[in-house]
Amino acid sequence: SQQGEEDPQALSIQEGENATMNCSYKTSINNLQWYRQNSGRGLVHLILIRSNEREKHSGRLRVTLDTSKKSSSLLITASRAADTASYFCALNSGGYQKVTFGTGTKLQVIP
Amino acid sequence: GAVVSQHPSRVICKSGTSVKIECRSLDFQATTMFWYRQFPKQSLMLMATSNEGSKATYEQGVEKDKFLINHASLTLSTLTVTSAHPEDSSFYICSARDTTVITGGRANEKLFFGSGTQLSVL
Repeated sequence: SQQGEEDPQALSIQEGENATMNCSYKTSINNLQWYRQNSGRGLVHLILIRSNEREKHSGRLRVTLDTSKKSSSLLITASRAADTASYFCALNSGGYQKVTFGTGTKLQVIP
Repeated sequence: GAVVSQHPSRVICKSGTSVKIECRSLDFQATTMFWYRQFPKQSLMLMATSNEGSKATYEQGVEKDKFLINHASLTLSTLTVTSAHPEDSSFYICSARDTTVITGGRANEKLFFGSGTQLSVL
């Protein structure tokens, strides 16, 4: 099963700035999801974008999907210190059962 | 929202012992649960798909006799690490999907995660 590649691996920004992280993958997908993980905890679902969608918004989150380039981006606007966490893209491909995770981006928002 | 409870959150055991980790869906039924393993500062690697009432489906390279999965009810899946060794030390996370939620003809694709189990084998 495929795994998404995320960049950057780590990102450090000042509070109030925007954070952008990218996910690239190799084979076709049904949908792509973004999850957040605080250190040593489980993951929390943030947003899902389907293969026939190009952009989704949820609060301060904006996700884009370019299936021709096989890439997605997650934008967090007006970042807060509480946004400090690791962010993973997750690929749902083949049957709808399995979800595989990207390599992750560790975001640090400095107050 | 849907809640998945995972227990224990942390376990320390001696090499050679077996450890059981429980994953429960608290307010929904989950015919399928997923078990992941995560090493420090790395991504989640899918180990197996747990299917209620049938055998689990293991990913390539995962020893089914080493990582026993039982999904005896619609709300409980267990992962037993048998004869644990220090190299089995890792963070184990379960997840489940609430397939009873249907939106636009599609079952809910969102995963709900347990809080994880940190296993340390001495």
